[in-house]
Amino acid sequence: DQQVKQNSPSLSVQEGRISILNCDYTNSMFDYFLWYKKYPAEGPTFLISISSIKDKNEDGRFTVFLNKSAKHLSLHIVPSQPGDSAVYFCAASKAPTGKSTFGDGTTLTVKP
Amino acid sequence: KAGVTQTPRYLIKTRGQQVTLSCSPISGHRSVSWYQQTPGQGLQFLFEYFSETQRNKGNFPGRFSGRQFSNSRSEMNVSTLELGDSALYLCASSYGDGYEQYFGPGTRLTVT
Repeated sequence: DQQVKQNSPSLSVQEGRISILNCDYTNSMFDYFLWYKKYPAEGPTFLISISSIKDKNEDGRFTVFLNKSAKHLSLHIVPSQPGDSAVYFCAASKAPTGKSTFGDGTTLTVKP
Repeated sequence: KAGVTQTPRYLIKTRGQQVTLSCSPISGHRSVSWYQQTPGQGLQFLFEYFSETQRNKGNFPGRFSGRQFSNSRSEMNVSTLELGDSALYLCASSYGDGYEQYFGPGTRLTVT
């Protein structure tokens, strides 16, 4: 049973436009959600997170939205840049724990 | 601050052998988690150590084990290697609960 799902394996957008990456989860006990970015031959890099008590968190060009009733979160990147091209992983965890459950990732390609 | 380091970066072993991977977390981080990444399975949680104690364990056979030392450095051991153990093994450290994880570059294990 995959508790965190990223249904789109890939996404391609034009530079300057918005990128929207989606993630669904099934376990209502998750209370902390994170997005990581991964380049080839490197470990994932933390991007942004959101606690279950919030529905939105912003950090520069990155915004994460959480819809608890739909068990859905999304990452918006505005404006998208070619350097954003990478694999994006959605992850969820339940405190107290250092265990995160990851989605399979979405490969984002931003075209110049 | 130095990042998470993992040694070795690449390893080739023969089926039936055993292997030990090492991880040095970011200074001050007490939680160390291990993940296995394969093309077909994404990032799968192996186990988490917090203050030298295993706090969480994923669904992996007993051939996979780990430990954490008093300086928070961690090792994972895989005994009786199988071809299916070929993967990228990622270590991640965190200050504590509710904090994001910082990943190392990983150890690429190839079992022949």
